[in-house]
Amino acid sequence: DAGVTQSPTHLIKTRGQQVTLRCSPISGHKSVSWYQQVLGQGPQFIFQYYEKEERGRGNFPDRFSARQFPNYSSELNVNALLLGDSALYLCASSLEGAEVYEQYFGPGTRLTVT
Amino acid sequence: GNSVTQMEGPVTLSEEAFLTINCTYTATGYPSLFWYVQYPGEGLQLLLKATKADDKGSNKGFEATYRKETTSFHLEKGSVQVSDSAVYFCAFQYNNNDMRFGAGTRLTVKP
Repeated sequence: DAGVTQSPTHLIKTRGQQVTLRCSPISGHKSVSWYQQVLGQGPQFIFQYYEKEERGRGNFPDRFSARQFPNYSSELNVNALLLGDSALYLCASSLEGAEVYEQYFGPGTRLTVT
Repeated sequence: GNSVTQMEGPVTLSEEAFLTINCTYTATGYPSLFWYVQYPGEGLQLLLKATKADDKGSNKGFEATYRKETTSFHLEKGSVQVSDSAVYFCAFQYNNNDMRFGAGTRLTVKP
């Protein structure tokens, strides 16, 4: 079975631009979470979606938004990019959103803002 | 607030040495605890987990025990291999959606 997939692998944007990152969960997984991993740090929670509803939001500005589609894939959007948004963006899926289940991570999208 | 404090790295060991990476957490209630591993150029992989006090998670020779009294979840391995070289992250899951990670500990094992 395919794992969590993310696209694109790498992305370079300039300050002020907008970016959309995509994630496809493992088949059968209905929950998707997004994390930001700055170089040398642990991942920071951004959003969780379950059954197309937002279940949780981390401490990120409103420039960050996300949505989940009927097929459970998800997009993360970041507007008005700042240099500090440069990071590895990780998507994770899990089998349930209301239970404590381990999350399965994708390889990430490396975003560089210049 | 809720947080994870992880042993700072980097850690460099010789093959077959004993490994301990310390992890403590601050949280209200009783979160589930995890260790994730990130190999070079790859995403995070779940290594092991424990969901309640005194549970021991184990996988690939690694072990960690959920210690409620010390709010700790230290990772141990009796004999490391070169292939264990990676970054290790301690994490807890609270509120069933918000997973908090430590800063990561880079382990290098030399032959």
